[in-house]
This record gives sequence, C-alpha cells and structure tokens, in this order.
Amino acid sequence: ELKVEQNPLFLSMQEGKNYTIYCNYSTTSDRLYWYRQDPGKSLESLFVLLSNGAVKQEGRLMASLDTKARLSTLHITAAVHDLSATYFCAGSSGTYKYIFGTGTRLKVLA
Amino acid sequence: EAQVTQNPRYLITVTGKKLTVTCSQNMNHEYMSWYRQDPGLGLRQIYYSMNVEVTDKGDVPEGYKVSRKEKRNFPLILESPSPNQTSLYFCASSGQGLGQETQYFGPGTRLLVL
Repeated sequence: ELKVEQNPLFLSMQEGKNYTIYCNYSTTSDRLYWYRQDPGKSLESLFVLLSNGAVKQEGRLMASLDTKARLSTLHITAAVHDLSATYFCAGSSGTYKYIFGTGTRLKVLA
Repeated sequence: EAQVTQNPRYLITVTGKKLTVTCSQNMNHEYMSWYRQDPGLGLRQIYYSMNVEVTDKGDVPEGYKVSRKEKRNFPLILESPSPNQTSLYFCASSGQGLGQETQYFGPGTRLLVL
C-alpha cells in the first residue's frame, strides 16, 4: 500500500534563501505530483514527474524524482513572499488511485 | 474557460439528512475524483471514476456514494451524513494517458454536519 510522507510540515524562511521540501513514498509510484494550495483556495497543479531522474522547473521552483530512493524533492530558489502557500506531493499506483502527503506549509518572511 | 465547478460551496446540515454535492467539468475529461481535506491529514481520496459508469473506491469511501451517468458530472452523495463527515471536499478531473495526468480541482465545498 502506497504511503507518502512529506517533511518538513512547516517551513518558515527568509526571502532570498533556498530550501528543499522532501517527499518520500513507500512503494512503487507510477508518477509523482506536486500541488500548491493558497489559504482558503483550491489546489493548483505544479509538476507531474513521470520517470526516474525527471526534473522540472517553473520559475523559482524545481522538482525532481529519484525512483530508486523513492524520493521527490521540491527545491525553492531565492524565495519570495508570493511563494507562501501549502505544498502537497502525491503519488499514484497505476490505477488512478492517488495518495497525498500531509502538506508542507511554507511561509516566506520579508 | 476550462473549469471544474462544485455546488454548493458551503453547506450546513444535520445528522441523517441526505445531501448531494454536484461536480461538473467542461474539459471532456474521462477521469474524475472526490477528495476530502482535513487539517493535518492532507487530501484523502473518497471515490474516483475512470469513465461513464466506471467508479471505484479510494481510501475513505465509507458513508459516501457516487455515480457517473454522464461524462461531465460526478455527484457525491451522503445518504446519512454524520458529524465525522464535516470536512472540505474537492472534486477533480483529468484526461488519461501520457501528458494528460494533471488534475484540475474544483473550488471546494465546505460541509458542516451538526
């Protein structure tokens, strides 16, 4: 049974700093997803990672996938206040059954 | 505009009073899904549907029913709501196949069961 764990759960960082959010999963996951949720809002898809070694970048966010280590990372470069949100990773096991992590609440301080 | 809509957005009800939350998408997506979001638990999948008349259980299906009679609609039915079903509910849809896996989420329905 697929389990997905994120850490840290909370992250407070200064503007301009770099940091990484980690997403570990317990068994084979066909794909790995990253989502963003602003307070009181819905979820927005950020990245879909399909294969080992996949790396995707959008602005100050970069996601990568290591299927051998069962680990995905979301790296934030030179954080800005607008990146404050909750970030979720999710895995799936081939049948469109999705398992989400508990989320990382990121707060970027000016 | 491509979107997933949910109604109602907010609902207060009492234990045992049947309710339906509607979900509709205009992107001709085959796949639709329902999630509930609770503090500290992330999102948990309730039911999903691969296409018309094809549904399956997610992680937390107890107390919920779904149907998929039309491709665009995927209603969530609570036959006899209980207070532990108080939650924020999201509907999502996506295409199938490579490059179409991105899920698009509805705005959410906040449900309070007294």
